[in-house]
Amino acid sequence: GESVGLHLPTLSVQEGDNSIINCAYSNSASDYFIWYKQESGKGPQFIIDIRSNMDKRQGQRVTVLLNKTVKHLSLQIAATQPGDSAVYFCAENIGQAGTALIFGKGTTLSVSS
Amino acid sequence: GAVVSQHPSWVICKSGTSVKIECRSLDFQATTMFWYRQFPKQSLMLMATSNEGSKATYEQGVEKDKFLINHASLTLSTLTVTSAHPEDSSFYICSAALTAFNQPQHFGDGTRLSIL
Repeated sequence: GESVGLHLPTLSVQEGDNSIINCAYSNSASDYFIWYKQESGKGPQFIIDIRSNMDKRQGQRVTVLLNKTVKHLSLQIAATQPGDSAVYFCAENIGQAGTALIFGKGTTLSVSS
Repeated sequence: GAVVSQHPSWVICKSGTSVKIECRSLDFQATTMFWYRQFPKQSLMLMATSNEGSKATYEQGVEKDKFLINHASLTLSTLTVTSAHPEDSSFYICSAALTAFNQPQHFGDGTRLSIL
């Protein structure tokens, strides 16, 4: 089975709210994590990444938090907008060049105005 | 940013047809490309790792004679679904990775394959 799990398969928020999407991973050897956004009929789009030597990384309106103690990853989206509606996947790998990503199950984010 | 182009975006064909899907890295060289398959409302499942100039590495349960992968150059990998059947209908997505460590993979926009 997949080593990266993702639960709360759906998340519904109001426009302007902050969204938090969570992900649990099981491979303690993983040292690189990525969040992707996938809109219907398209490929995954890179949002933000974090290496295992960091606990937090911020981008534009997004923050990724990594808790290696409990093997937990989260994506926070500030001031969620209708355009943020999509499926969000966390992915991990061991960080060696040329290794594949392992994807979690995905969370569908629905933003209503 | 890095761009990966996938073609075609949509294919409908009869059972028994072979279908070739192309994946190109447009502005960088990709020693390694990956092929994923995604069923509706499910996550991406890795099918195979495609290495330039060598044989692809297939994941367990993926038939290498069914899904032929060729990575003839640093910017092009192809996936051929041979003698496709309705159960092969799916969304096929490729990705390419820069050769540096800890770099995000960049994905194509996928190919929707429908076998009648």
